[in-house]
Amino acid sequence: DIQMTQSPSSLSASVGDRVTITCRASQSINNYLNWYQQKPRKAPKLLIYAASSLQSGVPSRFSGSGSGTDFTLTISSLQPEDFATYYCQQSYSMSWTFGQGTTVDIK
Amino acid sequence: QLQLQESGPGLVKPSETLSLTCTVSGDSITNNRYFWGWIRQPPGKGLEWIGTIYSGGNTSYNASLKSRVTMSLDTSRNQFSLNLTFVTAADTAVYYCARDSYSIPATNVWGQGTLVTVSS
Repeated sequence: DIQMTQSPSSLSASVGDRVTITCRASQSINNYLNWYQQKPRKAPKLLIYAASSLQSGVPSRFSGSGSGTDFTLTISSLQPEDFATYYCQQSYSMSWTFGQGTTVDIK
Repeated sequence: QLQLQESGPGLVKPSETLSLTCTVSGDSITNNRYFWGWIRQPPGKGLEWIGTIYSGGNTSYNASLKSRVTMSLDTSRNQFSLNLTFVTAADTAVYYCARDSYSIPATNVWGQGTLVTVSS
């Protein structure tokens, strides 16, 4: 199976900060990389698909980049509603896998 | 509007079989633009992809669970289901059913999730 490694595991930030989360795949996955946001006791929500495509309805402060094995999720100006856990997911292989998650909390 | 709703026992005994059903409303599970899956999340931990079932009935499973997992479609009821055999406490989790898309190779619709506890 393709392993997905996110960093950092957690970070503390303030409203208005620029936040970057990285995700690395154990082999090339082209651009088959998705990002999800999850808030406590809620189902995950798709933010970014195909590495850089913004899902409909997601604010433009979220952006994704990367290809091959290295990917980035950026929040350009953190808002109060963005404090959550973020997961990357590869959909390249028949067996999809998630990263371990990155929790963004208030500094 | 598409909705997915998980149902099934909230408590399962060790060594028994966990069985969950996902009822789909607002679309047909035979729509070949989409496929259907299960994801789980142990309390306080991350997401784990369990597997996928395609509209024709083909399946793909997480290698670590493959020997214990079966997914199936019930087209007459517009439902799909998950069976996980020989459960242990490690299978305690919130189980989500979800819809995946060929056009957007991602999980873009999720059920609300259901907690299944494995305990005697």
